[in-house]
Amino acid sequence: TQLLEQSPQFLSIQEGENLTVYCNSSSVFSSLQWYRQEPGEGPVLLVTVVTGGEVKKLKRLTFQFGDARKDSSLHITAAQPGDTGLYLCAGAGTTDSWGKLQFGAGTQVVVTP
Amino acid sequence: DTEVTQTPKHLVMGMTNKKSLKCEQHMGHRAMYWYKQKAKKPPELMFVYSYEKLSINESVPSRFSPECPNSSLLNLHLHALQPEDSALYLCASSQDRDRYTEAFFGQGTRLTVV
Repeated sequence: TQLLEQSPQFLSIQEGENLTVYCNSSSVFSSLQWYRQEPGEGPVLLVTVVTGGEVKKLKRLTFQFGDARKDSSLHITAAQPGDTGLYLCAGAGTTDSWGKLQFGAGTQVVVTP
Repeated sequence: DTEVTQTPKHLVMGMTNKKSLKCEQHMGHRAMYWYKQKAKKPPELMFVYSYEKLSINESVPSRFSPECPNSSLLNLHLHALQPEDSALYLCASSQDRDRYTEAFFGQGTRLTVV
């Protein structure tokens, strides 16, 4: 059982459309990270959120941390083919997993021209 | 510089071979990690080193043996592996093994056991 539930598992959209990926848990995290991973490569850190209710923007990507620090979302505006990849959320700092990153199962995003 | 370097990028080994994976970071991070990732799955934690000492072993079989020679280097020694051990092995580092644990990953070693 994943501590972090990501949805959807797969998302295929056309260039220019918007998309949102969700990451939910019943546990409270001290921080939550979002990564993007391409086939055969390591995950690349996109953002870290640490404060409940925090919103961070990275160009067309908007990340939100829930008020209770149990959930997060990633919103991409006007998606481009370069946004294609596996998006992973990872949480840290739960009471029973200090010093570990707990990963969600990932959301595969495909953006077609 | 947020780079974690892993070598080799690809490795094919027989079940009787002994090989090592290497990882290096120069960010002054004091925590380093080994993860294993199977296709279409998230990374699974194997080992955590904090200040050059092994702090977490996620019940990994003894055919995987980690080593941290100094604060910048992390090795994973492999011996008598099974075909099911074929996977992408990822090294990561973070400032400290604290509650934020913001990790930076290397590009991984694609291991194939034949």
